Amino acid sequence: DTGVSQDPRHKITKRGQNVTFRCDPISEHNRLYWYRQTLGQGPEFLTYFQNEAQLEKSRLLSDRFSAERPKGSFSTLEIQRTEQGDSAMYLCASSLAPQNTEAFFGQGTRLTVV
Amino acid sequence: AQSVTQPDIHITVSEGASLELRCNYSYGATPYLFWYVQSPGQGLQLLLKYFSGDTLVQGIKGFEAEFKRSQSSFNLRKPSVHWSDAAEYFCAVFLGGGYQKVTFGTGTKLQVIP
Repeated sequence: DTGVSQDPRHKITKRGQNVTFRCDPISEHNRLYWYRQTLGQGPEFLTYFQNEAQLEKSRLLSDRFSAERPKGSFSTLEIQRTEQGDSAMYLCASSLAPQNTEAFFGQGTRLTVV
Repeated sequence: AQSVTQPDIHITVSEGASLELRCNYSYGATPYLFWYVQSPGQGLQLLLKYFSGDTLVQGIKGFEAEFKRSQSSFNLRKPSVHWSDAAEYFCAVFLGGGYQKVTFGTGTKLQVIP
């Protein structure tokens, strides 16, 4: 297992366009998290899944954001009508609950909205 | 309010010198505690974690951290810093129970000078 992988690593998009990111967690992990990190800040929680169920969403996740994990394996995060303020690093993490609370992070997707 | 505080935004140390990065948390109960490291443009790597038991925990890359309940602190230390340790360091907490997410501090950027 190569760990958590995210695709793409970098995305540049024009304001108003839609973008979608993919996260493949560690295969046996049942919990998957999305975080957003802006320059000079720590990662901020966006949402998490337990298997295919989305159990919590942050207030940071506006209605332009949607996340799915249809089969309890990979997850997608879509941002509609992107704004310049969406420019950030989007990090995915996975863990095995409840046995292990340690979250393993992917390398992130860097989004730049121009 | 619940929070994780890293009071030092930026620290510079000489190679070979000792290092201590501070972390304080503000929660009603003792959370699970973590230190992560992030190199530029990369995801986060777990250095060490504290769940219970011995309050001095050893991590990877020669790092250690000490949990002090009376001070609500979990400071990260290394006896001798190497140039490759230059990165950003994040303290994080996981509460468990109904709070199934890791919350991060704002990070401390470490610069190592020859």
